[in-house]
This record gives sequence, C-alpha cells and structure tokens, in this order.
Amino acid sequence: GAGVSQSPSNKVTEKGKDVELRCDPISGHTALYWYRQRLGQGLEFLIYFQGNSAPDKSGLPSDRFSAERTGESVSTLTIQRTQQEDSAVYLCASSRGSRYEKLFFGSGTQLSVL
Amino acid sequence: GENVEQHPSTLSVQEGDSAVIKCTYSDSASNYFPWYKQELGKRPQLIIDIRSNVGEKKDQRIAVTLNKTAKHFSLHITETQPEDSAVYFCAAGNTDKLIFGTGTRLQVFP
Repeated sequence: GAGVSQSPSNKVTEKGKDVELRCDPISGHTALYWYRQRLGQGLEFLIYFQGNSAPDKSGLPSDRFSAERTGESVSTLTIQRTQQEDSAVYLCASSRGSRYEKLFFGSGTQLSVL
Repeated sequence: GENVEQHPSTLSVQEGDSAVIKCTYSDSASNYFPWYKQELGKRPQLIIDIRSNVGEKKDQRIAVTLNKTAKHFSLHITETQPEDSAVYFCAAGNTDKLIFGTGTRLQVFP
C-alpha cells in the first residue's frame, strides 16, 4: 500500500480482555515503531524493531504488553488483561531504517477499555 | 534512558507573530532531532529535522537551532498563519530509536 496501515481503527473492549493491534508498514521499510498517545498527551515510545535485530522493548509499560514482527513485514501489538489506563491511541510508524530517516505514521488504533 | 522535555505545553499567538518551542534532551549521544506536526485528528508528519553536525537549519518560515553543549534545540516559526495551528512534537535519537517530547499545542488566532 501507499502508507502505513493499522487495524482496527477503533477497538472497544472490556477490562480484563486481551486485544491485538496490527500494523502493516510501508513495503521495504526495515524499521518499525509502536507509540502510545493518551488523550492530549505526547508520543510514548513502546517498542522498536529494526530488520532482524532483537527488538528494543525498553518502552513497554508492563509485562501485559508484547509485540512481534516477522521479518520486515506485519507487526502485532498485544495487550493482555487490559486495564482502563490502557485506553489510548496506539500509533505505528515505519522508516527505511537508517539513522536519520523520516518516520511515516499510521492513522492509529483508538483503544477504549471499559 | 533518553528523556526529552518540551516547553511550553500550549502556545497562543496572533497571526503574523513568531512562535518558539524549546526542547531539552538528556542523552548526550543523541545526534538526530526531528520535529513533527500533528493536526487535529491526523497522524504526525515530519516538518523539519536537524543533525548534530549543524547548529541551524531553515526551511521557509520554519527554522531549528541546536545547542549540543547545552543539550537543547528549538523550533522557530515566523509569520505564523492559522494553518500552523497544531500540536508540535520534538524528538531526539541516536542509533535509530526516537524519543518524543510531550508536545506543544500551538494556536494561531487570525
């Protein structure tokens, strides 16, 4: 596709349920990021994938959060036993991977935990 | 880990005035400093960036300055227009990981 695609665009779930968010990066982009954006807040780094290197998971807020990426393709962010404080927009971004490349963001998944 | 602080959190200016947003970073190894603009309901988009080997970069009405010694960098918007109204995020990074500031909501009043 022409840009970074995220699905679903909106997800409403009940507290305690697991959710899985998907990101399709731009073809050929080796770097992929997940960020969390709470309402009116900044972009909170969660995890970073670069090619086949071990991901940088230093931003994951708890062990309920995990993410996977197969090669240089799709990534999934999984949140287990969701809590109300997990409610936010989850943004995915990709880049060509070199140090100074522009990030292309997806339109995000709005997660609401009731 | 890297920490990026951004000020002010909100900024209101009259059309035609200048706007300045400032950021400080903690990791002296950071060498790349982009700025992203996020309009209401839209995704962030890169507007300008600067690397650590230069102190200033300008693109039309937008300029960025970098002081590596003090570990701070700034975004300057001159002759502001209503369409400049948005949230602006600074970021700092080394290797490839980018850490963003908390954002500045800029409102330009006609």
